[in-house]
Amino acid sequence: DQQVKQNSPSLSVQEGRISILNCDYTNSMFDYFLWYKKYPAEGPTFLISISSIKDKNEDGRFTVFLNKSAKHLSLHIVPSQPGDSAVYFCAASGASGGSYIPTFGRGTSLIVHP
Amino acid sequence: KAGVTQTPRYLIKTRGQQVTLSCSPISGHRSVSWYQQTPGQGLQFLFEYFSETQRNKGNFPGRFSGRQFSNSRSEMNVSTLELGDSALYLCASSPGGISSTDTQYFGPGTRLTVL
Repeated sequence: DQQVKQNSPSLSVQEGRISILNCDYTNSMFDYFLWYKKYPAEGPTFLISISSIKDKNEDGRFTVFLNKSAKHLSLHIVPSQPGDSAVYFCAASGASGGSYIPTFGRGTSLIVHP
Repeated sequence: KAGVTQTPRYLIKTRGQQVTLSCSPISGHRSVSWYQQTPGQGLQFLFEYFSETQRNKGNFPGRFSGRQFSNSRSEMNVSTLELGDSALYLCASSPGGISSTDTQYFGPGTRLTVL
């Protein structure tokens, strides 16, 4: 049973346009959410996070939106650049038993065309 | 600061063998977590070590074990390898570990192929 779902395995976007990556979760105990980016042959790199007390967090070209009632979050990249082409993982965690063990989605492969 | 390093990067083993993977965290980080990444299951948490003690454990069989040394370097061992153990094994380090919301820094992974 997947608790964190990224329903789009891939997304193709033109350079300069907006990329929107989506993530849904089912566990209402999750209260901290993260996005990671992964290039081939490298480990995931932390991008941006959001806690459940907020509905938006921005860092440069990256913005994460959280809709708690819909159990949905999205990552917006504006403007998209070819160097953003990578696999993006959504992760969710909650303070269960004093730890924040993350549950990851299966990733969305973003391709940004020049 | 040097990043998280993992050795070896690639490994080929046969069923029934055992394997040991190594992870050196970022200097000063006391927590090392291990993850398994497969195409079918995505990234799954194996366990976390903090100051030489296993602090958290995921849903993996006892064939998967680990340890952490006093310099925070960690090893992961898989015994009696099965075909389904073929995966990318990632380790991540952080200052406070997954009992906090500290950012985890991942290594490049060890690609294990079981034949």
